[in-house]
Amino acid sequence: AQKITQTQPGMFVQEKEAVTLDCTYDTSDQSYGLFWYKQPSSGEMIFLIYQGSYDEQNATEGRYSLNFQKARKSANLVISASQLGDSAMYFCAMNIGNQGGKLIFGQGTELSVKP
Amino acid sequence: KAGVTQTPRYLIKTRGQQVTLSCSPISGHRSVSWYQQTPGQGLQFLFEYFSETQRNKGNFPGRFSGRQFSNSRSEMNVSTLELGDSALYLCASSWRQGQNSPLHFGNGTRLTVT
Repeated sequence: AQKITQTQPGMFVQEKEAVTLDCTYDTSDQSYGLFWYKQPSSGEMIFLIYQGSYDEQNATEGRYSLNFQKARKSANLVISASQLGDSAMYFCAMNIGNQGGKLIFGQGTELSVKP
Repeated sequence: KAGVTQTPRYLIKTRGQQVTLSCSPISGHRSVSWYQQTPGQGLQFLFEYFSETQRNKGNFPGRFSGRQFSNSRSEMNVSTLELGDSALYLCASSWRQGQNSPLHFGNGTRLTVT
């Protein structure tokens, strides 16, 4: 069965420091996509970064990078130089094959950035 | 470019009633997906529509239904509401069906069933 596991319910980080949010996934499919979303208290889900299963290089988008370790089935999100506005829930998600609109989400990690 | 628009933002209904939620995707996006978010179950996939056809369906009872119109706008309907249907309902759109086409979400409709 396909599953996403986020083992950190909550995390604290000091402003301007880097933080890593953990995500492991489980699938027997060879073709899949991995995503990270941010959900502030307003409720909107904001797309951050994408990594395809066949991508050899780790994805980066500004201060966000995805540490993709295929053999370990992990897709950790690294946020560099944390800002107060980064405080939010972060969700790791996966889709399989051609089922682009069907994302399987983890339970989320609540990140709090301290000044 | 306008984002995904969901209406209404908040809704309060009584058990047994039915409700219709609306979603307007980003212009040019043809795929629309719906998700239910609750504190207990997290984010769960409801269904996906592409070119007015349901392409995928999650594990929800038949009381949950949806449709997509020719302009890609989508509606979802929940009949015979139960207390457990109280949730944030999120709509997302993407420009095509495909693994590497990120979903862009709206602000959601918060449904409370009393």
